[in-house]
Amino acid sequence: AQSVSQHNHHVILSEAASLELGCNYSYGGTVNLFWYVQYPGQHLQLLLKYFSGDPLVKGIKGFEAEFIKSKFSFNLRKPSVQWSDTAEYFCAVNPHSGGYNKLIFGAGTRLAVHP
Amino acid sequence: ETGVTQTPRHLVMGMTNKKSLKCEQHLGHNAMYWYKQSAKKPLELMFVYNFKEQTENNSVPSRFSPECPNSSHLFLHLHTLQPEDSALYLCASSQDGGGYAFFGQGTRLTVV
Repeated sequence: AQSVSQHNHHVILSEAASLELGCNYSYGGTVNLFWYVQYPGQHLQLLLKYFSGDPLVKGIKGFEAEFIKSKFSFNLRKPSVQWSDTAEYFCAVNPHSGGYNKLIFGAGTRLAVHP
Repeated sequence: ETGVTQTPRHLVMGMTNKKSLKCEQHLGHNAMYWYKQSAKKPLELMFVYNFKEQTENNSVPSRFSPECPNSSHLFLHLHTLQPEDSALYLCASSQDGGGYAFFGQGTRLTVV
């Protein structure tokens, strides 16, 4: 079945630690890839996106993600996390089947950053 | 402010009630979505509308009935819901061609 998998459900880090959150998808063909973030009590916000071109994309707040087509992966990274990065992170895929929009989300990873 | 507005923000309803959730987007997008976000569960895609036509119904029970009268408005009509339907219902919109989605603040629904 077509799906989006996020490997870590909960991650706990200390400030200044490096972060990598895994995301794999099982769709074939052309896809657009996204990471969304949901801070406590706030709405889902776009963190970064990949449509085409350079597979290393940079987003807001120092986040970046790398698209590896051969691995169907789009992992999120940040070299040094801050307490304010505490949030839930969602990977999402928009397959282009039928020309329609159809955003599919992973289960999310809850990140807690301790001072 | 994301350009996607949902009302009401909170709703408590009995299992025999009929209510509707409303979503409005001011972004000129062509696609609108309903998602369900429950505690301890992944974000679930419920319905997708592209150019006012329903293109996705993700096996949603018939007690949830969507309506998209135009590209800017999306409704979710609710009737005879169950307590397990209590969740945050999120509306989103995106531009045609695989554009990323903008989300509303959601409606927190409690079924008693």
